[in-house]
Amino acid sequence: GAVVSQHPSRVICKSGTSVKIECRSLDFQATTMFWYRQFPKQSLMLMATSNEGSKATYEQGVEKDKFLINHASLTLSTLTVTSAHPEDSSFYICSAKGTASSYEQYFGPGTRLTVT
Amino acid sequence: AQSVTQLDSQVPVFEEAPVELRCNYSSSVSVYLFWYVQYPNQGLQLLLKYLSGSTLVKGINGFEAEFNKSQTSFHLRKPSVHISDTAEYFCAVSDLTSGTYKYIFGTGTRLKVLA
Repeated sequence: GAVVSQHPSRVICKSGTSVKIECRSLDFQATTMFWYRQFPKQSLMLMATSNEGSKATYEQGVEKDKFLINHASLTLSTLTVTSAHPEDSSFYICSAKGTASSYEQYFGPGTRLTVT
Repeated sequence: AQSVTQLDSQVPVFEEAPVELRCNYSSSVSVYLFWYVQYPNQGLQLLLKYLSGSTLVKGINGFEAEFNKSQTSFHLRKPSVHISDTAEYFCAVSDLTSGTYKYIFGTGTRLKVLA
């Protein structure tokens, strides 16, 4: 149980284009999803917290107009990187938590974004 | 604000030897603690977690960790490592008083098991 998927697993896009990454909770309803970014050989940095049906809460220093997050249903959150640049190339990982009172997050397998 | 320190960025150890990966967190307020393993180009896999109860927590793949509130530590141990344990290990803390359910991750420890 508690499986989280991400699609795509890898994506290459040209500079200036937008790319959407999907995060799905497959066997549970996720009231909250989190989006992380991980640079090579570094830790995970939280980008934003996404609650179903409401606006995402972004961490300090994360551009909300560049990283658009939508959590339209209890099983799906999307991260859209708009007008991507090479410096946006990174490993993006989402996680989901189930019940409102639960602290445990379940992580997706990650999406490798390369902007050329 | 809560922070997590993993002092060892890399730990080389010979196969079948014991290993300890250290994790300290900054605040002694109520916390949940987690250890995750990450293999190259993959997501995170939960090794073990401390939510409450016994301070010695057993996880998957023979790993265990001990919660020490007075030292604000949650070190990960394995009595005998295998080549397949070579990976990146992350300690994470969730501060129960923040109400945000966020995880704060340490910088990670790269465990390299040598034959």
